[in-house]
Amino acid sequence: DVKVTQSSRYLVKRTGEKVFLECVQDMDHENMFWYRQDPGLGLRLIYFSYDVKMKEKGDIPEGYSVSREKKERFSLILESASTNQTSMYLCASRGQENQPQHFGDGTRLSIL
Amino acid sequence: GEDVEQSLFLSVREGDSSVINCTYTDSSSTYLYWYKQEPGAGLQLLTYIFSNMDMKQDQRLTVLLNKKDKHLSLRIADTQTGDSAIYFCAGASGGSYIPTFGRGTSLIVHP
Repeated sequence: DVKVTQSSRYLVKRTGEKVFLECVQDMDHENMFWYRQDPGLGLRLIYFSYDVKMKEKGDIPEGYSVSREKKERFSLILESASTNQTSMYLCASRGQENQPQHFGDGTRLSIL
Repeated sequence: GEDVEQSLFLSVREGDSSVINCTYTDSSSTYLYWYKQEPGAGLQLLTYIFSNMDMKQDQRLTVLLNKKDKHLSLRIADTQTGDSAIYFCAGASGGSYIPTFGRGTSLIVHP
């Protein structure tokens, strides 16, 4: 089974802090994704990566950046956290394009 | 781009069948997925269907695809309280094949 591991289930940070969310997958997948999930809005794609050191903006990249230095790890960075970034963050990975995404358990991030 | 619509809530009695419906706009959608999300957890892949199929069955789950109407449904037979969750439909089409997700249907199973 594919295992996608997010480093924290719950995280509380302060406004203005730099926040790192980490995601690791164990299936040598090329593609990795970061989403945020908010009530009534469903899943919105922040960034994705189709290879090491490659990244593409999703639908809502503002206020975020990403890093993919190794194939198995994809990090989401909030450069200067704001309260409107309080949300559930979901990481996913996928092998080839015709394969489904597999998700981690999510990180519930609160910015105070 | 793709737009995926689902009803927000469905309430069923334990033991009955549940049918969750989804419509999508992109007729070139090649892959269609169903995910389940339990409270506080991530999305769990339930099943998926390719656009060249009309139906797929996997134990209690049956997926029906009507390409003409761009309509996808998920039927859960003998629904149990453990099936209570949010169910997401997603469609992916050519290019990057990145899925577009619906907003999810909350399934409530009562005794």
